[in-house]
Amino acid sequence: SQKIEQNSEALNIQEGKTATLTCNYTNYSPAYLQWYRQDPGRGPVFLLLIRENEKEKRKERLKVTFDTTLKQSLFHITASQPADSATYLCALDTDKLIFGTGTRLQVFP
Amino acid sequence: GAVVSQHPSRVICKSGTSVKIECRSLDFQATTMFWYRQFPKQSLMLMATSNEGSKATYEQGVEKDKFLINHASLTLSTLTVTSAHPEDSSFYICSARDPGVGGNTEAFFGQGTRLTVV
Repeated sequence: SQKIEQNSEALNIQEGKTATLTCNYTNYSPAYLQWYRQDPGRGPVFLLLIRENEKEKRKERLKVTFDTTLKQSLFHITASQPADSATYLCALDTDKLIFGTGTRLQVFP
Repeated sequence: GAVVSQHPSRVICKSGTSVKIECRSLDFQATTMFWYRQFPKQSLMLMATSNEGSKATYEQGVEKDKFLINHASLTLSTLTVTSAHPEDSSFYICSARDPGVGGNTEAFFGQGTRLTVV
């Protein structure tokens, strides 16, 4: 069956550290993969999109990698801040977006 | 950036009644919109793809007669939860992509609708 799993339901880190979130998938071959941020009671907000022929994408403190052989994407937030606390969702882009299970990130001061 | 607006943000209804949720793209025309449902502490589950001028495409396990989707214009899709029951209580979210931007792009999401059926 098709699955998209994000490695941990919750991740707690100290301010200033790098947060690394993992997205693994099976039985899909997406040409694109996207990451979103969702705050409680709100709709997701787009962060980054990476294509299958791109190994890495960066935007300010954010970095995404995409390994189609491992069927895995890593999402990094460097110099994390309490304001980064939210749920982060990966989504496989197959003309429609199929979302992963999500990881709740909590950054402590 | 492009905006998708969803209304209402919260609704409480009695069992057996129907509830309509609207999703509008405010500054682009969306031939396709997507409806998701999200239960507490769970991810977004795609319910259906709303197609302007044609029937919606429902995901496996989603009852099309219970969740009626109408996409009558290029800027409006509606989801009607018919004969609502307490188990339909959830967070419903719509999304759309701007077709004017080439290739696969980011999706814009509505604010979501918290439906509570009592």
